[in-house]
Amino acid sequence: SQQGEEDPQALSIQEGENATMNCSYKTSINNLQWYRQNSGRGLVHLILIRSNEREKHSGRLRVTLDTSKKSSSLLITASRAADTASYFCATESSSGAGSYQLTFGKGTKLSVIP
Amino acid sequence: DAGITQSPRHKVTETGTPVTLRCHQTENHRYMYWYRQDPGHGLRLIHYSYGVKDTDKGEVSDGYSVSRSKTEDFLLTLESATSSQTSVYFCAISESAETQYFGPGTRLLVL
Repeated sequence: SQQGEEDPQALSIQEGENATMNCSYKTSINNLQWYRQNSGRGLVHLILIRSNEREKHSGRLRVTLDTSKKSSSLLITASRAADTASYFCATESSSGAGSYQLTFGKGTKLSVIP
Repeated sequence: DAGITQSPRHKVTETGTPVTLRCHQTENHRYMYWYRQDPGHGLRLIHYSYGVKDTDKGEVSDGYSVSRSKTEDFLLTLESATSSQTSVYFCAISESAETQYFGPGTRLLVL
């Protein structure tokens, strides 16, 4: 079963605009990660936020985590055409059975129009 | 994709035939994973390994087996391929069981 669910499923914006994607999950987690996948390629790790962190930045990326709501958001500022990709959240469960594993959502497909 | 290769990259096979996919890493990472990616389902974990000869099942392990006899190689075997196993298969590695690094994927078509 999917742990993370991204919203929206698809997002189309103009170059230079900000893009926000959301992720909701169901169980307690150790950390939440965001990955990017360009068409026909493997996933690339973007950023990891731990359960005791609320916000994290990396370049043009800003991730927030609200463990009380079991949700996270990924903000990409000043988007570029090269940001066009699918974005996935992934969670590592804090339960013993889920350790060492990531559970991925279905992804948000972002299109940045030049 | 640096440090992780998958072979073959593309394969077409017939229902009922055995298929083995190989994942090879040069990073000496402890953890290795096999996922399948299907439209509408995202990535789903098939099997993973936490050391040589140490493997465990993931969410969608039925019909698949794995082996890891060396740190660098993780094999995924479909004993008798079915059309429902048509998918894109990704291998991933991790040193700490946190951040994962993905291979380029293998596209498998079962006719």
